Amino acid sequence: NAGVTQTPKFRILKIGQSMTLQCAQDMNHNYMYWYRQDPGMGLKLIYYSVGAGITDKGEVPNGYNVSRSTTEDFPLRLELAAPSQTSVYFCASRPTAGTGIYEQYFGPGTRLTVT
Amino acid sequence: TQLLEQSPQFLSIQEGENLTVYCNSSSVFSSLQWYRQEPGEGPVLLVTVVTGGEVKKLKRLTFQFGDARKDSSLHITAAQPGDTGLYLCATPRRAGGTSYGKLTFGQGTILTVHP
Repeated sequence: NAGVTQTPKFRILKIGQSMTLQCAQDMNHNYMYWYRQDPGMGLKLIYYSVGAGITDKGEVPNGYNVSRSTTEDFPLRLELAAPSQTSVYFCASRPTAGTGIYEQYFGPGTRLTVT
Repeated sequence: TQLLEQSPQFLSIQEGENLTVYCNSSSVFSSLQWYRQEPGEGPVLLVTVVTGGEVKKLKRLTFQFGDARKDSSLHITAAQPGDTGLYLCATPRRAGGTSYGKLTFGQGTILTVHP
């Protein structure tokens, strides 16, 4: 069972470039999330999705976009990369409510540097 | 948004020592989770506590939930180098209405256990 997978593992971007961080899960989870993790700051929610075609903003959505065309995939798009977006990005998923108390399953992360 | 304060932020100890990590809030937790994150990996759920006064054990790890459900602690007995990592507490976000499984994380405690 692959669980939650993320690609790429590492990426260096120049200021103003754009890229898509890929996230996929094979557990048939409806809920998916994107977080960023900065040193000493825990995890901040960027966007989340409760099912295919349904997405909403989290705490820190500026500079990012998401889409959810299938249950399995939840890509995160960075437009016009800025140094402030240098971070480690984690994708997570969880079953719909009723099958566990908010346990989330995380991918291995993408370390992004913008220079 | 409920704020979670974790302490200490850093902990560096020798193998065999005991330690305690704390997670506190000014608001009541509906439930609380502890995650461990190893370097280069995503967080992995250790435990969920729900009931005030609850104590859960996971091998050498003991988790306590305060009677008033405003604080929690993680105690590790006889720490080993394999315990090294970032320990995060998290609680469901409840900013009016359904949380959709969204979590608020503390800033984490970085634990290093030296052989």
